[in-house]
Amino acid sequence: EAQVTQNPRYLITVTGKKLTVTCSQNMNHEYMSWYRQDPGLGLRQIYYSMNVEVTDKGDVPEGYKVSRKEKRNFPLILESPSPNQTSLYFCASSFFRGDTEAFFGQGTRLTVV
Amino acid sequence: SQQGEEDPQALSIQEGENATMNCSYKTSINNLQWYRQNSGRGLVHLILIRSNEREKHSGRLRVTLDTSKKSSSLLITASRAADTASYFCATDAVIYTGGFKTIFGAGTRLFVKA
Repeated sequence: EAQVTQNPRYLITVTGKKLTVTCSQNMNHEYMSWYRQDPGLGLRQIYYSMNVEVTDKGDVPEGYKVSRKEKRNFPLILESPSPNQTSLYFCASSFFRGDTEAFFGQGTRLTVV
Repeated sequence: SQQGEEDPQALSIQEGENATMNCSYKTSINNLQWYRQNSGRGLVHLILIRSNEREKHSGRLRVTLDTSKKSSSLLITASRAADTASYFCATDAVIYTGGFKTIFGAGTRLFVKA
């Protein structure tokens, strides 16, 4: 089954404790991206990757890192999480540059206390 | 304000009625897409319309695009309680590095009463 898998689904952590949210897709998609969703703000793009070893900042990259060492995986790293990063995070993937539909993971609800 | 802005923010209708949601955007686009999100879950793609298309249909969905007004509308006909969800438009804007950004609006929350 074609899917984007995020882990974990729920995470509560403390300020400053490094964490990684994993994202994996099984559709051989070139394009992957991370979004955060906050009430009233819709989805905002954090980082995106057009292919292996090619990543770029989205609209809200501060406080986040990503890597794309393999085509299928695109982890999101919070080196020192802060409470303002409490949010619902989505990973998405698609072929090429947005000319086709994006497939979304089920989301990771992160709470930083 | 954001690239994609949906209107209205919330819509409540009776089952069987039609629901119309609008989206406005600011920059030139390659395409515009509509997504649906059930509460707290991942987004599901509904339909994509390219910049050289004016109208597209998929089942009970009808999407129009007016590039001169930088706006799109999503019409759901004969709505059902199961259509209750949030609906987002998303636009792809080319950026200077040759990449592109997909920009989502804040969404329209649709509630269909049985």
